[in-house]
Amino acid sequence: KAGVTQTPRYLIKTRGQQVTLSCSPISGHRSVSWYQQTPGQGLQFLFEYFSETQRNKGNFPGRFSGRQFSNSRSEMNVSTLELGDSALYLCASSLNQPGGFNTGELFFGEGSRLTVL
Amino acid sequence: KNQVEQSPQSLIILEGKNCTLQCNYTVSPFSNLRWYKQDTGRGPVSLTIMTFSENTKSNGRYTATLDADTKQSSLHITASQLSDSASYICVVSGNTGGFKTIFGAGTRLFVKA
Repeated sequence: KAGVTQTPRYLIKTRGQQVTLSCSPISGHRSVSWYQQTPGQGLQFLFEYFSETQRNKGNFPGRFSGRQFSNSRSEMNVSTLELGDSALYLCASSLNQPGGFNTGELFFGEGSRLTVL
Repeated sequence: KNQVEQSPQSLIILEGKNCTLQCNYTVSPFSNLRWYKQDTGRGPVSLTIMTFSENTKSNGRYTATLDADTKQSSLHITASQLSDSASYICVVSGNTGGFKTIFGAGTRLFVKA
């Protein structure tokens, strides 16, 4: 069974540009969540989608947005990039919305490492 | 305020030794607690998942304990190996005015030969 796939794995952008990251969840998983991880920092929750609907959102500016498609694949977009957006962006999928009647185990992808110059 | 605090922040041990990592949380009501291992530059990988009724769970050389009364969890690593060098992240989920998943900042473990 294929794991969570994130593309691209690495990318370099300049300030002011925008970027789109893609996440393909494990087959059958309907929940996808996104996280930002900067050096020395814990995972910061960006947002979570379940069945194409955004269910939860973290404390990030409106430059960060996402969406989920009918096949559960998800994308996140960052517009007007800033130097501080340089980070590892992780996507995780789960069978159900985490914390429901199931354990809600999160399966993470390998991440997309974004460098903003 | 819902929080997950891990200690120590970092730890250096010799190969073959045991160690214990701590996680204290204030998330309530509690749904489940998970420990993840994250190698540098990789995505986190689940080690254990524990619900309210579980006190201990093992995964090979990793053993997690949970005390829901004191809201504390620990991850014990036995006979450490060089490959155990990684960050260990405690994640707590609960339904607090809408479902929440709170991540700890992690403990960075270095295992030296």
